[in-house]
Formats: sequence, structure tokens, C-alpha cells
Amino acid sequence: EAQVTQNPRYLITVTGKKLTVTCSQNMNHEYMSWYRQDPGLGLRQIYYSMNVEVTDKGDVPEGYKVSRKEKRNFPLILESPSPNQTSLYFCASSQQQDTQYFGPGTRLTVL
Amino acid sequence: AQTVTQSQPEMSVQEAETVTLSCTYDTSESDYYLFWYKQPPSRQMILVIRQEAYKQQNATENRFSVNFQKAAKSFSLKISDSQLGDAAMYFCAYRSARGDTDKLIFGTGTRLQVFP
Repeated sequence: EAQVTQNPRYLITVTGKKLTVTCSQNMNHEYMSWYRQDPGLGLRQIYYSMNVEVTDKGDVPEGYKVSRKEKRNFPLILESPSPNQTSLYFCASSQQQDTQYFGPGTRLTVL
Repeated sequence: AQTVTQSQPEMSVQEAETVTLSCTYDTSESDYYLFWYKQPPSRQMILVIRQEAYKQQNATENRFSVNFQKAAKSFSLKISDSQLGDAAMYFCAYRSARGDTDKLIFGTGTRLQVFP
């Protein structure tokens, strides 16, 4: 089954404790992105990748890191999480600029 | 920079009736994609319909259709014969077709309620 998976689905952590949210797709897509969703703000792009080893900033990259060492994986790293990073996070992938397929979301709470 | 505006935070419709959700966008690019996504309470993002800017014909998918007005930069979604399962948040999104970037911009969403 073609899908984008994210782990964990739910995470509660404390300020400053490094964490990684994994994202994996099995559709051999070149493009991958991370978004955060906050009430009243819609989805905002954090980072995107157009190919292996190629990443670029979206609209809200501060406080986040990404890497793309393999085509199928695109982890999101929060090296020192803060409460303002409490949000719902989505990973998505696509074949070039065609339709994006979204993962199920990760609900992150930073205390 | 591109922007996407959904001016209706909430809409409601009676079952079997028709409703139209509005979306306007701003861009200086001539080639791009536009999307409508549905987000039910499960939070999963589900593609409803897509439109390629260079195609003048409005996209349709069963009960869902768009009114794409490129000159006016308007991209509204019409849902016909509304069903209870259509109740969700709906997001309009813009995606550049430029080869050197993959920025995708979402609107703030419209919450659709469907009444029996």
C-alpha cells in the first residue's frame, strides 16, 4: 500500500530535550516536505527536499533541522524544543510538483 | 511572495444542498497548481481536487468541482448534493510549478458543517 508514515504519532516532551520525528514514504517520490498546523494559521511549510541531499527552508524553519540521506526518509529534528513548537506536524511526499500525499500527523506537546 | 486567502472561517449547509467555499490567491507566476484538501476529525489530509493553472477547463471530481478564474486569482470549491461525511476543514493550497523551488502555501481553512 502506497503511504507516508510518521513516528511517533503522539509525543509529550520537555523544553530542551532533543527529539526526532521520522517520516518515510514507499512511493519513490523525489519531493518531501514538513508542515506544522496551528489553529487559525492553516498549514505552514517548515522545510522541503527536492532530492537526496537537497533541502531548503520553507516559511517557518527556525528551530528545526532536516536531513535527506535516503530518498524514502526525511526526518524532522528539534534540537532544543520550546513550548511554541507545540503543534500538529505533517510530512508529505510527491512526484515533483504533483499532488502531495500526507502522513497521518504527529501531535507534539512541549512542556 | 505568494499568499492564499480563505475568507470564510466557517460555512454550513443542509444535507443534499450545494455549498461553495471561496479561495483567492496572489502570485506573479504564470504556471502553478491549486489544490483543495479536506481534513476530517481524523486529521488526515485528503486531496479533494487539483487544478493546473495552464488548463482553462475547471476540474471536477464527482460531486466536487472548482471555479477557476485565473485573471481574478480565484479558486472556489463547489460541493453538490452535500453529505454528512463532507463535514470537515477544507484547505485551499497553491504550489509553484517552478523547477527550483517546492514552496507550497495553504490558506487558513474553512470549517464546513453539514446539517441533516
